[in-house]
Amino acid sequence: DADVTQTPRNRITKTGKRIMLECSQTKGHDRMYWYRQDPGLGLRLIYYSFDVKDINKGEISDGYSVSRQAQAKFSLSLESAIPNQTALYFCATSDWGRGTQYFGPGTRLLVL
Amino acid sequence: ELKVEQNPLFLSMQEGKNYTIYCNYSTTSDRLYWYRQDPGKSLESLFVLLSNGAVKQEGRLMASLDTKARLSTLHITAAVHDLSATYFCAVDIATGNQFYFGTGTSLTVIP
Repeated sequence: DADVTQTPRNRITKTGKRIMLECSQTKGHDRMYWYRQDPGLGLRLIYYSFDVKDINKGEISDGYSVSRQAQAKFSLSLESAIPNQTALYFCATSDWGRGTQYFGPGTRLLVL
Repeated sequence: ELKVEQNPLFLSMQEGKNYTIYCNYSTTSDRLYWYRQDPGKSLESLFVLLSNGAVKQEGRLMASLDTKARLSTLHITAAVHDLSATYFCAVDIATGNQFYFGTGTSLTVIP
């Protein structure tokens, strides 16, 4: 079984809809991250969390919110989706020491 | 704002050739990471470079870090088709453990 899982893997939604992307991990890491990937822009950090009570905005948090329900679960919400939020979204975890990040398989989101 | 620049953005090379991908970053950082992404797939960690002068090697790939120059290189030796992928470097800001990624280098190795 994968260490970092994301659901759904693909999602099509309409402008103005609220959607939630979910991430679960079995690696036992405290740190979790949400990124979006756009062609030619690399990965950009949306939010990150160092533990259940510690949530931080990343580089591009506007239009997004997150919830850390447990050490192993970190959800990303788009309260009112817009077309320029069409992207590939990745969840990642890291251990405190080395910092290497482990990525989920990604969620491909299309906002019409 | 931290900037991480990779070059080249696109690289097409013949099997058996050597080449280097460069990663420059704009502020002090303790750590630098290299990742690989195959088309339609997630990112996979290749190397973690933790100090100035660090060098790591795995197969045909070798990564190095010069923190004074704020530069990391990923050297490819005798490329093979299986190395075709997009390679990302990422920098970790010491104070917050935020990661900033480069735009990626898309490598195509031609038989």
